[in-house]
Amino acid sequence: GQSLEQPSEVTAVEGAIVQINCTYQTSGFYGLSWYQQHDGGAPTFLSYNALDGLEETGRFSSFLSRSDSYGYLLLQELQMKDSASYFCALTGGFKTIFGAGTRLFVKA
Amino acid sequence: DTAVSQTPKYLVTQMGNDKSIKCEQNLGHDTMYWYKQDSKKFLKIMFSYNNKELIINETVPNRFSPKSPDKAHLNLHINSLELGDSAVYFCASSQGSREEPEAFFGQGTRLTVV
Repeated sequence: GQSLEQPSEVTAVEGAIVQINCTYQTSGFYGLSWYQQHDGGAPTFLSYNALDGLEETGRFSSFLSRSDSYGYLLLQELQMKDSASYFCALTGGFKTIFGAGTRLFVKA
Repeated sequence: DTAVSQTPKYLVTQMGNDKSIKCEQNLGHDTMYWYKQDSKKFLKIMFSYNNKELIINETVPNRFSPKSPDKAHLNLHINSLELGDSAVYFCASSQGSREEPEAFFGQGTRLTVV
């Protein structure tokens, strides 16, 4: 089966950098994705790593290490609007399996 | 121009009733999904369809019956609703490929069973 673990909550200050870690167990997948979900909203795609290494998209970066079954999402120059839930997800074979989500609180 | 649209947005109903949620995508994707998000925000996949064919049924009670009349539509019918069915149900679509993994989600249907 497939499973993912990520911290339940993270708190950071506006302007800071925060890293949300994700470890997983799987027998096979295409890549690791990250989604953002604001309260009352739908999950929206942020980033995807098919290969090991770092992918950068503006203030967000994501990293994958297949040998360590580990990835992370890095958010820089935090803004209040970044307060949301962040999900890591394994994608492959007509399904995307989500972790339980990390609630990020950004304080002024 | 909404990419994935589902209706209704809110649904309040009594135990034992039957209800349906409709979903349509205009992205030309081959794969569509239903997810259930509980009060703890855990997103659990329920069904996956590819080109109208059921690919994945993740041990969902048979009171839940998805139907895909064409690859742009995936509806969810729920019989004999129970209190534990209260949740937000999301429809999503994607290309389902290694090169295009992004899943696009509908706005969600908040189902409350009383």
